[in-house]
Amino acid sequence: KNQVEQSPQSLIILEGKNCTLQCNYTVSPFSNLRWYKQDTGRGPVSLTIMTFSENTKSNGRYTATLDADTKQSSLHITASQLSDSASYICVVSQSLAGTYKYIFGTGTRLKVLA
Amino acid sequence: EAGVTQFPSHSVIEKGQTVTLRCDPISGHDNLYWYRRVMGKEIKFLLHFVKESKQDESGMPNNRFLAERTGGTYSTLKVQPAELEDSGVYFCASSHQGFRSPLHFGNGTRLTVT
Repeated sequence: KNQVEQSPQSLIILEGKNCTLQCNYTVSPFSNLRWYKQDTGRGPVSLTIMTFSENTKSNGRYTATLDADTKQSSLHITASQLSDSASYICVVSQSLAGTYKYIFGTGTRLKVLA
Repeated sequence: EAGVTQFPSHSVIEKGQTVTLRCDPISGHDNLYWYRRVMGKEIKFLLHFVKESKQDESGMPNNRFLAERTGGTYSTLKVQPAELEDSGVYFCASSHQGFRSPLHFGNGTRLTVT
């Protein structure tokens, strides 16, 4: 069964601290993996995309890693800010007959406190 | 560039009534997707349009849901008659062709069926 599991479910950290979010998937055939940030009341916004051959990708204070062998990804947030408070969703794209299907994780809800 | 817009942002209806959700994708995006998130669960796929054609509607829960995309532009999702389990947040997303193109999400329509 194609699944994307994320941990932890929720996380509270102090402003300025670092944190790492985890994503494990069983999606096949794999095309790519994206991390999205979803602010409360808004739609998800793409942070990074990683394909099979990419194992690290950075976007400002966000760094994503991918281990395609173990089917694991992580999102590391450095020097967290209050504005980082959001849900972070791991989305794995499945390639099927020339089209793509997106499998979503349940997300990690991050709260950054002052 | 205007983003994906959804209307209404909230809708509260009684069981048995009809509701129509609207999505205006980013201009030029051929791909349009409908997703739904029920409380505590992951975002789940409903269907995918390429221009005006339904590419994949395997996620539509039953025949009470009807989606259309007029002339390959905006899309509507009609629920008739609504049931309690239809409550959730309905997201629309659009994208260009190609796996590197991210999904651009609207802010969603929160549907409550009482």
